[in-house]
Formats: sequence, structure tokens, C-alpha cells
Amino acid sequence: EPEVTQTPSHQVTQMGQEVILRCVPISNHLYFYWYRQILGQKVEFLVSFYNNEISEKSEIFDDQFSVERPDGSNFTLKIRSTKLEDSAMYFCASSAGGMNTEAFFGQGTRLTVV
Amino acid sequence: GENVEQHPSTLSVQEGDSAVIKCTYSDSASNYFPWYKQELGKGPQLIIDIRSNVGEKKDQRIAVTLNKTAKHFSLHITETQPEDSAVYFCAAGSVTGGFKTIFGAGTRLFVKA
Repeated sequence: EPEVTQTPSHQVTQMGQEVILRCVPISNHLYFYWYRQILGQKVEFLVSFYNNEISEKSEIFDDQFSVERPDGSNFTLKIRSTKLEDSAMYFCASSAGGMNTEAFFGQGTRLTVV
Repeated sequence: GENVEQHPSTLSVQEGDSAVIKCTYSDSASNYFPWYKQELGKGPQLIIDIRSNVGEKKDQRIAVTLNKTAKHFSLHITETQPEDSAVYFCAAGSVTGGFKTIFGAGTRLFVKA
């Protein structure tokens, strides 16, 4: 069964450092998303991406965040200068159609900023 | 801004009983309502979804209802089993101006054997 894969599973970084979280969406999917979940809290939408551009973003997704699809398979989330409050589980998801079709989530990357 | 409220935050039932989780949403443009199950250490997994042109949908022991007028939607799990224990999230998605899904805060379901 096809799945969304994320690497690394756990990333520890110093405050102020840049991190790149990587995702390989399901191969025939066209819509890609990043969400985050602070420990014990709800899943929060960060950004959606379609046709090589951001389709929608939340207020969380400020200038410190960027996304990229550098090749035909990877979808990355970059945080330029991490803050302690960026510590969370980050989930990548992809869907074949738009938001009214099933989104498949990866297992997540746990980001710990120290 | 858009918001999804979910109740209860915690639900404990006996095995075999039914569980009901309720959500309300604020964005009138929402037209897709997925429900996700999240087990410890894993990503959310879609268990059922409903679109705005449908009032009810059922898949074995799971059913969802949608009242667009009241902006309410609910998840019903019948004949609960211990393996149903997890955190359940409702969500509301819209394609107005882009693709965005807003999640509820989650319901931690405990099914006691």
C-alpha cells in the first residue's frame, strides 16, 4: 500500500538553527500539505501546495517557514531560525485531488528545539 | 477565523457500547468533513469522510452525520472494541481560495474491556 514517508523521525536542533523536514508524498498525488501538532494538542494546518506553489497557508506559517518541491518526489518544510515554540510533531500529507479527497498522512517528524 | 469545536475531549465507554463525538464548524464554505483516528506515535489516519451534499454515511460500525444548516457533524461508533481506543479528530475542509483543513481539538476514546 502506498504511503507518505517522512525523514527524519526525530530531529533535535539548537535554537536559531535552520532545519529541513523531508517528505516523500504518494507518487501520483498532486496536493501536498504540512501540519504540526504540539504535544497533546490539536493538529494545526500550516500550508497546502499545488502546482508548484503555495495554495493556502495559516497564520502560523510566517516568514520563517518555507516549502519546496525540489524534484519530482520530495516535498520539504524549512524553518529558517528555529524557536523553542517550534518544537512539535510535523506531519506531511498528500492527496490525489483537492481538499475534498482523502489526505494520507505520514508518520511525522518530531522536532525538538533546545 | 475558521474554527472547529469538538466534544467531548475524553470519552470512556464499555466494550460493546456506542460512542458519539460531536463537532461544529464556523466556515460556511466548508464542504468536506473527514474524521481521523490517531494512535500513539502515529500520524492521523482517515477512517471516514462526508461531503456537503450528503447528510449521512455509514461504513460498518462507523457512521457520520452532517447538518449543514446547523454546521454540526458527528461520528458514531457502534459495538466498540478495545482497539477503537485512540484519539479521534474531526476536521472541516474547504477549497475556497485554496486548500485548507481545520482540525478539532480531538477526543480521547477509551474502550474498557
